[in-house]
Amino acid sequence: DTGVSQNPRHKITKRGQNVTFRCDPISEHNRLYWYRQTLGQGPEFLTYFQNEAQLEKSRLLSDRFSAERPKGSFSTLEIQRTEQGDSAMYLCASSLVPGLSYGYTFGSGTRLTVV
Amino acid sequence: DQQVKQNSPSLSVQEGRISILNCDYTNSMFDYFLWYKKYPAEGPTFLISISSIKDKNEDGRFTVFLNKSAKHLSLHIVPSQPGDSAVYFCAARFNFGNEKLTFGTGTRLTIIP
Repeated sequence: DTGVSQNPRHKITKRGQNVTFRCDPISEHNRLYWYRQTLGQGPEFLTYFQNEAQLEKSRLLSDRFSAERPKGSFSTLEIQRTEQGDSAMYLCASSLVPGLSYGYTFGSGTRLTVV
Repeated sequence: DQQVKQNSPSLSVQEGRISILNCDYTNSMFDYFLWYKKYPAEGPTFLISISSIKDKNEDGRFTVFLNKSAKHLSLHIVPSQPGDSAVYFCAARFNFGNEKLTFGTGTRLTIIP
């Protein structure tokens, strides 16, 4: 297991289309996070899962966004009816045990461009 | 409302010298602070962290200092190496709940050979 894997790496879509991204965390990690990073900004929290339960969603996550983590393994993030403002890097991260100071492990991200 | 701020978008430092990256925060409830390093086309990589009960943490060439009264932290890299050229993000979290991180906007560090 070499880390957090995200697919696809790049996605170009037309406005109004639906897109889905996948994240495969480090296998033994029970927490999974989604962040979004736009140009010139730091990553912004979107949502997180502990095992299969989605425990918090940011106000940034509008009704067009939905995330799932069936069986507590991989996760998907779907954006419906994409808008140009959704163009960003979508980052997934995972961690093993809450409370440790080492931070969590990020994937390389999926860059979404809405045209 | 930007709760974590990195006011220097960029910094250039001569190889071998000290690099100092700064970060300010506004929420006194933050309990843990972390620094991440990011290369282009890669996700952020954890570098070093510090608990609010400490004022210094050191790991090899990297040292993080925390001044709680000033709500300020800094990352020192000594000596700076060309491979340190990257974007550095400061992040903070609460000591309860979900470990959600609040990031600053980043500082692009360039090490000049």
